[in-house]
Amino acid sequence: AQSVAQPEDQVNVAEGNPLTVKCTYSVSGNPYLFWYVQYPNRGLQFLLKYITGDNLVKGSYGFEAEFNKSQTSFHLKKPSALVSDSALYFCAVRVEGGATNKLIFGTGTLLAVQP
Amino acid sequence: DAGITQSPRHKVTETGTPVTLRCHQTENHRYMYWYRQDPGHGLRLIHYSYGVKDTDKGEVSDGYSVSRSKTEDFLLTLESATSSQTSVYFCAISEVQGVRSGNTIYFGEGSWLTVV
Repeated sequence: AQSVAQPEDQVNVAEGNPLTVKCTYSVSGNPYLFWYVQYPNRGLQFLLKYITGDNLVKGSYGFEAEFNKSQTSFHLKKPSALVSDSALYFCAVRVEGGATNKLIFGTGTLLAVQP
Repeated sequence: DAGITQSPRHKVTETGTPVTLRCHQTENHRYMYWYRQDPGHGLRLIHYSYGVKDTDKGEVSDGYSVSRSKTEDFLLTLESATSSQTSVYFCAISEVQGVRSGNTIYFGEGSWLTVV
């Protein structure tokens, strides 16, 4: 069965410091991996995705994520955090060729950026 | 923002009453989904649709039904609401863009449902 784990419920970082939000996955097949961000009382916004090719994927708002097949990880990163990055972040996975086009989500990581 | 409208956005209802949430899209996407979001569980798929009148169950479908009579509308019905169905419900859409495109899913703004 497909699954996604976000091992940290909350990540705290000072503004200007680099941030990492962790995600690991388990699938039988080639994964499609996604990151979404959710601001309070809003829907999820798509940040970036890995399908194939370069392991470093760049997305919206200066975020990037690195796909590591051997470690089955897809960590979200940003070189310099902003207070406005504070939000709930979700990692999600789909298996390549999956007939149902469904995403499986992690439980989310709350990112808190202190000024 | 993806053209997804959910209604109602907020609703309080009593235990045992039926409730219908509506999702309307203007993107003409083939796939539509209903997820629920609960603390500690992330988002869990309730039902999804892969075309008009074509629907299937997700991982938490008990107590819910769906209908899709038109491409643009996907209805979620709680047949007899219970307190455990108090949650935030998100509609999402996706298009089939090819095997290697990833078929990104886009979300609506959510419907907050409280069952008392």
